[in-house]
Amino acid sequence: DAGVIQSPRHEVTEMGQEVTLRCKPISGHNSLFWYRQTMMRGLELLIYFNNNVPIDDSGMPEDRFSAKMPNASFSTLKIQPSEPRDSAVYFCASSLGGFGNSPLHFGNGTRLTVT
Amino acid sequence: GIQVEQSPPDLILQEGANSTLRCNFSDSVNNLQWFHQNPWGQLINLFYIPSGTKQNGRLSATTVATERYSLLYISSSQTTDSGVYFCAGGGSGTYKYIFGTGTRLKVLA
Repeated sequence: DAGVIQSPRHEVTEMGQEVTLRCKPISGHNSLFWYRQTMMRGLELLIYFNNNVPIDDSGMPEDRFSAKMPNASFSTLKIQPSEPRDSAVYFCASSLGGFGNSPLHFGNGTRLTVT
Repeated sequence: GIQVEQSPPDLILQEGANSTLRCNFSDSVNNLQWFHQNPWGQLINLFYIPSGTKQNGRLSATTVATERYSLLYISSSQTTDSGVYFCAGGGSGTYKYIFGTGTRLKVLA
């Protein structure tokens, strides 16, 4: 299996610009997670989808952040407008099953730098 | 919510040495995973181990769910073992894996 695929690997943008991060989960996995990793806060769950439906977006920091999952094989995380404090590594993860009863598999992450 | 504590926060080993990393949970967890974040930032699955003991080569893990802790053993460490080791767990019926702050391991040649 190809694993969880994220793109781009690196993104550098200027403050105020729109940023879109992409994720393709492992085929057959029905749960998808977006995490953010920073030195200050560690790994934080932003949003969780189950069967393409957003179940919990309480970790999304602000209205500038939005996420979609139009089908079982694709998800996006969008930041509009971006700010320097959004600089972080954003990970997508998927799992088989809906309630934490199977392991998480992470993509390689997208390192976002907002100047 | 569940709190996850990892110890030690930092560890420096000479190549060939053994080590034990610990993960404590404030409440019972039904799901527990160990990850290795390598120097390139990739999060690699090591073990999914809600309870019991598993081994994979030089690595093994034990979770004692009733006592709310898990241990990761690294034997005959190699420089490629360097990186940060995270444990993460979630309670019953929850999808929310809570991550510890990690153990940063450096193995010297």
